[in-house]
Amino acid sequence: AQTVTQSQPEMSVQEAETVTLSCTYDTSESDYYLFWYKQPPSRQMILVIRQEAYKQQNATENRFSVNFQKAAKSFSLKISDSQLGDAAMYFCAYRRGNTPLVFGKGTRLSVIA
Amino acid sequence: KAGVTQTPRYLIKTRGQQVTLSCSPISGHRSVSWYQQTPGQGLQFLFEYFSETQRNKGNFPGRFSGRQFSNSRSEMNVSTLELGDSALYLCASSLRQGAHDTQYFGPGTRLTVL
Repeated sequence: AQTVTQSQPEMSVQEAETVTLSCTYDTSESDYYLFWYKQPPSRQMILVIRQEAYKQQNATENRFSVNFQKAAKSFSLKISDSQLGDAAMYFCAYRRGNTPLVFGKGTRLSVIA
Repeated sequence: KAGVTQTPRYLIKTRGQQVTLSCSPISGHRSVSWYQQTPGQGLQFLFEYFSETQRNKGNFPGRFSGRQFSNSRSEMNVSTLELGDSALYLCASSLRQGAHDTQYFGPGTRLTVL
């Protein structure tokens, strides 16, 4: 079964600085999707960014970008110019075909003013 | 376009009771998935419905069941509640079934079992 590992339970970053959240996954498949979801204290899970495994180019969404290393099965999220509103739990997730999303345990990000 | 809605937002039940949670997907979305979120186990998949048919099922006991209606709205039911069923239950919808379609989540229903 596929597994997703987030090795950093908690991270903190100064406002306006850059932080990178780590994620590794285990799969024998070549075609799949990876996601980062954000869950702020309000609990609404929000999609931050997604990456298609067959695309070599790293996905970016404004201040959010990923470093996708397919051979290493690594999918890290970089947040630039961190803002107070970025404070949340961040979940890395994997999905292939019609199988369910598989989530990591999450990383709690604190932003220090 | 309105997002995924879940009702009720909060629920308190006692052991042995049963509960029904409701999820209305984004208009036009035909796939609905349910997840249970707890501090200890994290996010665990319950089941997925597409066009009124259960397409995937997670590793949960038979006390957990669900269904989807012709308008894509979905309900999940938990019978004979146990203390360990206390959790945030999240519903997510997508246009179709499959990884190429992003799942959008609702705000969740917080279930507390006393």
